[in-house]
Amino acid sequence: GQNIDQPTEMTATEGAIVQINCTYQTSGFNGLFWYQQHAGEAPTFLSYNVLDGLEEKGRFSSFLSRSKGYSYLLLKELQMKDSASYLCAVRDIRDNDMRFGAGTRLTVKP
Amino acid sequence: GAVVSQHPSRVICKSGTSVKIECRSLDFQATTMFWYRQFPKKSLMLMATSNEGSKATYEQGVEKDKFLINHASLTLSTLTVTSAHPEDSSFYICSAREGGETQYFGPGTRLLVL
Repeated sequence: GQNIDQPTEMTATEGAIVQINCTYQTSGFNGLFWYQQHAGEAPTFLSYNVLDGLEEKGRFSSFLSRSKGYSYLLLKELQMKDSASYLCAVRDIRDNDMRFGAGTRLTVKP
Repeated sequence: GAVVSQHPSRVICKSGTSVKIECRSLDFQATTMFWYRQFPKKSLMLMATSNEGSKATYEQGVEKDKFLINHASLTLSTLTVTSAHPEDSSFYICSAREGGETQYFGPGTRLLVL
């Protein structure tokens, strides 16, 4: 099975930087995804990592270390609209299905 | 990005009735579609994976006779909640994968069973 852990809640200030961590355990890693989900809406894709290192996409960056079973999502220049849940998801090579962590609810304050 | 639609977006039904939810990939052919459910303030729980033309693969604890999935074509999958009960009230979200790495999510269907 998979264990995917991320903090339940985080708070940050508008304009600041926040890092959301995700640790996972899986017997067959085949990619890690980050999704953003606003309340009452479906998740939207943010990033995908399958190799170690940092992937940068505008204000959002995602990092992966496969040996440590660790990823983080970095959000820069926070805006109020970034208040949402951020879901870490891991895909298993055995069935190619993606399973989600519980999500981190980020609140951005003025 | 790719677009996935779901219909209906919201449904209220009486206990004991069946509800069908459609998931369509609008601008790509989805070799695999996924169905998730999400309770308030909880993460997405994978219910089943469906491949076009074959039977769906259900996650442990999901009743296949209660949640009927039909992946009739490369652009359409349906989830039917049979004999719905109040505990089935939830947010149901489908996602589709073309064959690459990314899954695209539909907007979700909010089901309320009275």
